Amino acid sequence: GAGVSQSPRYKVAKRGQDVALRCDPISGHVSLFWYQQALGQGPEFLTYFQNEAQLDKSGLPSDRFFAERPEGSVSTLKIQRTQQEDSAVYLCASSLLGAGDTQYFGPGTRLTVL
Amino acid sequence: QKEVEQDPGPLSVPEGAIVSLNCTYSNSAFQYFMWYRQYSRKGPELLMYTYSSGNKEDGRFTAQVDKSSKYISLFIRDSQPSDSATYLCAMSATGGGNKLTFGTGTQLKVEL
Repeated sequence: GAGVSQSPRYKVAKRGQDVALRCDPISGHVSLFWYQQALGQGPEFLTYFQNEAQLDKSGLPSDRFFAERPEGSVSTLKIQRTQQEDSAVYLCASSLLGAGDTQYFGPGTRLTVL
Repeated sequence: QKEVEQDPGPLSVPEGAIVSLNCTYSNSAFQYFMWYRQYSRKGPELLMYTYSSGNKEDGRFTAQVDKSSKYISLFIRDSQPSDSATYLCAMSATGGGNKLTFGTGTQLKVEL
């Protein structure tokens, strides 16, 4: 079956531009997560949705980062006024329900800010 | 200091070797322990999932958790070139359905 998909796979932005990254979770998965993975590092948690409710956004690094999941399915991570330090791979993961369930990851969006 | 520490490697072994990968952690609230494999330019893929302390075996892979020492391990038997990847340990306090805290990842290369 279809896994988690993300688009675009690669994004190059000039510093100061706004970007929007999309995640399509596995159909029926209630929970959705965003992680940021810098080069040579493990993924770091950004935010978590259960259906359309954003239950945890403690990992968002600044108010330039905003995520939404308005209908409890597709999610968008938006970064305003991009900075060079935002360059990273942004990973989306989904899980069926909540605690105890496996998180399935998408391929990621590689963002490069020039 | 990071909550989860993992030697980044790189680790190079000959084909057929037994590989030992490990992580230490500081947060005693962690109850769920995972190992993910990540190939270059791909997303992490779950290999092993363990709750609390103990061992779990799946084919060539064995995961061990020692909560008293805050230490987890992944063993790979009869390693193959296709095992060459980055191995990430991950942990959560309330289960896989809540946020994961990852180690840095260990880069493994299995050579012919």
